[in-house]
Amino acid sequence: QKEVEQNSGPLSVPEGAIASLNCTYSDRGSQSFFWYRQYSGKSPELIMFIYSNGDKEDGRFTAQLNKASQYVSLLIRDSQPSDSATYLCAARLAYSGAGSYQLTFGKGTKLSVIP
Amino acid sequence: EAGVAQSPRYKIIEKRQSVAFWCNPISGHATLYWYQQILGQGPKLLIQFQNNGVVDDSQLPKDRFSAERLKGVDSTLKIQPAKLEDSAVYLCASSSATGRNEKLFFGSGTQLSVL
Repeated sequence: QKEVEQNSGPLSVPEGAIASLNCTYSDRGSQSFFWYRQYSGKSPELIMFIYSNGDKEDGRFTAQLNKASQYVSLLIRDSQPSDSATYLCAARLAYSGAGSYQLTFGKGTKLSVIP
Repeated sequence: EAGVAQSPRYKIIEKRQSVAFWCNPISGHATLYWYQQILGQGPKLLIQFQNNGVVDDSQLPKDRFSAERLKGVDSTLKIQPAKLEDSAVYLCASSSATGRNEKLFFGSGTQLSVL
């Protein structure tokens, strides 16, 4: 069973701090990793994706990947109250059969940024 | 660019009734997905279409769920008969490419309550 694990939280950080969201995955065949943000009652929205070991930065967001440890993280610098949402980590297998590259989601981490 | 359209936004039915959801993907997106998201969990793939063909339906409860994508554009997902445990948000997503960097764009979802 391919799994993506996240701490459900809630993770509370003060405004302006760095929020660190973590994710582990079970399948070493996973090739790419995605972070989605989901506001309450809304649909998931893609923030970042990463497929190479190391860091990838986009504005206030940095995704980190360590394939040896099967670990993905998302750092949010200068956290704002508008960043309060559930963050979903997703892993894509190299090949899941039947011609697909199935995306497996974790349960999400709820982030609260306190003004 | 118009996003993924879904309807209805909410649906309340009694167990053993049938229900249908509709999705219109982003124009030109060949790949369409239906996900089920139970409260507090991440989205779970039900079925993937590539144009009008099914690529992956391994997690679709075929005794009660069915889906079609006629003409390779919009899609419907049906549940018949519904069970209490089908209460969830049903998300439709589409993408323009497959492979490890494929990015999914989600619709606003249909929230189903089965009483």
